[in-house]
Amino acid sequence: RKEVEQDPGPFNVPEGATVAFNCTYSNSASQSFFWYRQDCRKEPKLLMSVYSSGNEDGRFTAQLNRASQYISLLIRDSKLSDSATYLCVVIPPYSSASKIIFGSGTRLSIRP
Amino acid sequence: EPEVTQTPSHQVTQMGQEVILRCVPISNHLYFYWYRQILGQKVEFLVSFYNNEISEKSEIFDDQFSVERPDGSNFTLKIRSTKLEDSAMYFCASSNPRTENTEAFFGQGTRLTVV
Repeated sequence: RKEVEQDPGPFNVPEGATVAFNCTYSNSASQSFFWYRQDCRKEPKLLMSVYSSGNEDGRFTAQLNRASQYISLLIRDSKLSDSATYLCVVIPPYSSASKIIFGSGTRLSIRP
Repeated sequence: EPEVTQTPSHQVTQMGQEVILRCVPISNHLYFYWYRQILGQKVEFLVSFYNNEISEKSEIFDDQFSVERPDGSNFTLKIRSTKLEDSAMYFCASSNPRTENTEAFFGQGTRLTVV
């Protein structure tokens, strides 16, 4: 099983739609989870951290399900500017926090 | 806002030549990383560096690669004898997992083209 797995997409949705991505991880002891956004030919940038209780930042909601070992990202009222690749990122337990593990990314394209 | 800076932004080199990619991590960070991304592919881990030594490396990071933190601020990636397949975007990142915010911050990347 891959350490971090994402649906590669692409997701092609109309502006204003709600879209959700999931990501699964294999190490049940993983401590920290993030969603990064990567625009074409640019560096990954932190979109939001994912907390156990779930968290929301404007139109973006992140959830963590430890029992099933997945995290999710929900984007409401999508904008054209949301078009990007969304990377699921997992950091192993602090005792071995020497590697940040990236999912392969989910491509999102918002059409007018 | 603190940021990770990388130089150069683009490097073109001939196959077989040595290249050094430079990075200045965020000053209070403790872990430093190099990742690469071949065009159209996923971000791949190369190496992590902590306490002045390699903490972990991937199978991509073979004897042709080395890292160094020569002066306490710069963090470099050297490729001794470049191959065509080394052409990629190389990202440096840094983090401090001992703080409340454990996320990694990435530099803007160096695009390496081997011809």
